[in-house]
Amino acid sequence: GAGVSQSPSNKVTEKGKDVELRCDPISGHTALYWYRQSLGQGLEFLIYFQGNSAPDKSGLPSDRFSAERTGGSVSTLTIQRTQQEDSAVYLCASSLSGGAYTQYFGPGTRLTVL
Amino acid sequence: AQTVTQSQPEMSVQEAETVTLSCTYDTSESNYYLFWYKQPPSRQMILVIRQEAYKQQNATENRFSVNFQKAAKSFSLKISDSQLGDTAMYFCAFFQGAQKLVFGQGTRLTINP
Repeated sequence: GAGVSQSPSNKVTEKGKDVELRCDPISGHTALYWYRQSLGQGLEFLIYFQGNSAPDKSGLPSDRFSAERTGGSVSTLTIQRTQQEDSAVYLCASSLSGGAYTQYFGPGTRLTVL
Repeated sequence: AQTVTQSQPEMSVQEAETVTLSCTYDTSESNYYLFWYKQPPSRQMILVIRQEAYKQQNATENRFSVNFQKAAKSFSLKISDSQLGDTAMYFCAFFQGAQKLVFGQGTRLTINP
């Protein structure tokens, strides 16, 4: 079946603008993760959704970052008032049911904040 | 907190050679999972191999195999008969119940013709 999809593939924005990044997980996967990949920090966990449970937001770097998952499927990561340090590749992953199930990644969204 | 260390930022080998990528990790837990992911220039993270810590047998997937040394907290990846398509960033990752993967800094592997 189809893999994890993300849109847009690339996003260029101006400092101070808000951006929304979208993730479509593999059909039937109840767990969804967001990670950030940047040159200075490597790969960092941001947030985790599992079914209808409250999300684990422990990795969000500031209150400018938020995410939601509608209907247990598509997720949107929103960054408000973007800063240059937000420039990174944002990766989404899904797994069958959280836990130790393998996480399958999307192609990522490259965000550039000018 | 768990940490994962990949001590080789870059490696380069000739096609058809065997190459081993190193990974060490730090944890006080006994039950966990380890992964190697490959990230080619397309950015897509692709699972190469996974290992459950409770299994003594080393995982293998075709040309890819691991040397899992639990006591030493070491998890190296061996690529046999390397191919040009193996050129990519390789990330070692750790999972233990916290519902997130913890990644190493990555090793950039180049396979030369």
